[in-house]
Amino acid sequence: AQKITQTQPGMFVQEKEAVTLDCTYDTSDPSYGLFWYKQPSSGEMIFLIYQGSYDQQNATEGRYSLNFQKARKSANLVISASQLGDSAMYFCAMREVNSGGSNYKLTFGKGTLLTVNP
Amino acid sequence: DTEVTQTPKHLVMGMTNKKSLKCEQHMGHRAMYWYKQKAKKPPELMFVYSYEKLSINESVPSRFSPECPNSSLLNLHLHALQPEDSALYLCASSQGAGGAAGANVLTFGAGSRLTVL
Repeated sequence: AQKITQTQPGMFVQEKEAVTLDCTYDTSDPSYGLFWYKQPSSGEMIFLIYQGSYDQQNATEGRYSLNFQKARKSANLVISASQLGDSAMYFCAMREVNSGGSNYKLTFGKGTLLTVNP
Repeated sequence: DTEVTQTPKHLVMGMTNKKSLKCEQHMGHRAMYWYKQKAKKPPELMFVYSYEKLSINESVPSRFSPECPNSSLLNLHLHALQPEDSALYLCASSQGAGGAAGANVLTFGAGSRLTVL
């Protein structure tokens, strides 16, 4: 079973509008972290936002916010006031604390390609 | 500018060649990673170094040989590769590789795009 599911292969949004990118996850570990990365066509993975499993409030970073619904195991990324430069692939990822205590592995979803139209 | 520097940005090599990819960071991070990313796919973990020691090898073929000469440098030596090894190779670093989940955000480089002929 996939640990991270991104059901939207592609999304379109008009410039200046908000867009939500979906992410659901599957884990039995009570301690985990959720990340969103942006990958433009140049290839670099750019960290956007992080949410810890014990965090009480939804994470926000500038125009990015994470809609964290723990019971539903979802961690959707909301981008407000979209800009043309937001056009990129967006990956949701999860890091679990395994029984050994190391949390080296970041498991990625398949990604959502966002296109911002002028 | 990215804080993780990868060279070269592009590499074309034949199946009998030996080449290396290099990665450098000066953020004082003690964990470094190699990921492989095929077109339109998510990155896949290859290796993890923690405090200059190889912690994780995700069953990567021996034609890929990692090396961590010091805490700032990470190399990936390539030998006798196959055309299916053509991909974007991403290096990343984090403060540590253990501890609280999520505390160690990975910072990625821009990648080295490898083509094997």
